[in-house]
Amino acid sequence: EAGVTQFPSHSVIEKGQTVTLRCDPISGHDNLYWYRRVMGKEIKFLLHFVKESKQDESGMPNNRFLAERTGGTYSTLKVQPAELEDSGVYFCASSPAWQTYNEQFFGPGTRLTVL
Amino acid sequence: DQQVKQNSPSLSVQEGRISILNCDYTNSMFDYFLWYKKYPAEGPTFLISISSIKDKNEDGRFTVFLNKSAKHLSLHIVPSQPGDSAVYFCAASARDFGNEKLTFGTGTRLTIIP
Repeated sequence: EAGVTQFPSHSVIEKGQTVTLRCDPISGHDNLYWYRRVMGKEIKFLLHFVKESKQDESGMPNNRFLAERTGGTYSTLKVQPAELEDSGVYFCASSPAWQTYNEQFFGPGTRLTVL
Repeated sequence: DQQVKQNSPSLSVQEGRISILNCDYTNSMFDYFLWYKKYPAEGPTFLISISSIKDKNEDGRFTVFLNKSAKHLSLHIVPSQPGDSAVYFCAASARDFGNEKLTFGTGTRLTIIP
C-alpha cells in the first residue's frame, strides 16, 4: 500500500512569488491534515479536511494560504504571495475516518525556502 | 504558548542501555498521547501511543508512561540500538470527534553511541 506522498520535495522561490504544494493521502483516508515545521521548532497544525470539507483551519497563518481538496482525494496548499517567514517544511498527514484514536500517517514533507 | 514541551533538545545514550525521553503538557483536555520518530528528510513515523485512561503502554522495546497528575509522559527504549538514532516528537490530542489535530513538542534528538 502506498503511503502519503507530497510534491515537490523541495521548492525555492523568491519573496512575492506563488507556490503550490500537493499532497496525496493514503487511498481511502478521509482525514487529511497539513502541518508545518519552521526552523527546527515544533510541528504546527495548519488545517484539517474531512473528505472535501474543511473541518478546522484554525492553524492557517493568514489569508495568503489557501488549501483545497478536490473531490476528497488529493489536496493542494497554495501560498500567494510568499513571504520570508513562510520558509519551513510542510507535512501532510492522513488517517482513516473509522479510526478511534488519531494515529496519523505522515508524508515526507515539502521543504519550502523563500528568498 | 507551547502546550507540549520537550525540554531536552538532545540526548546521547550508549548502545544497549536505556533511553528515556521526557515530555510535559499543560492542556488538561489532552486525552491521547503519541510518540513519533523522525529520520532526516523523512516524515514523522508513528511509534507508540497511550490513552489517558492508562498509565503505561508497552510495545516491544518501547514503553510509554503517563503521569496525569504531573502532566508528564516519558518514552523508554530498552535496549537502545543504533537504528534508534533519530528525532523523537511527543504529540497530544484532545479527542473532539471529527477533529483530532495533533499538538507537537519541539523534539528530542536521540543519538545512540555504538
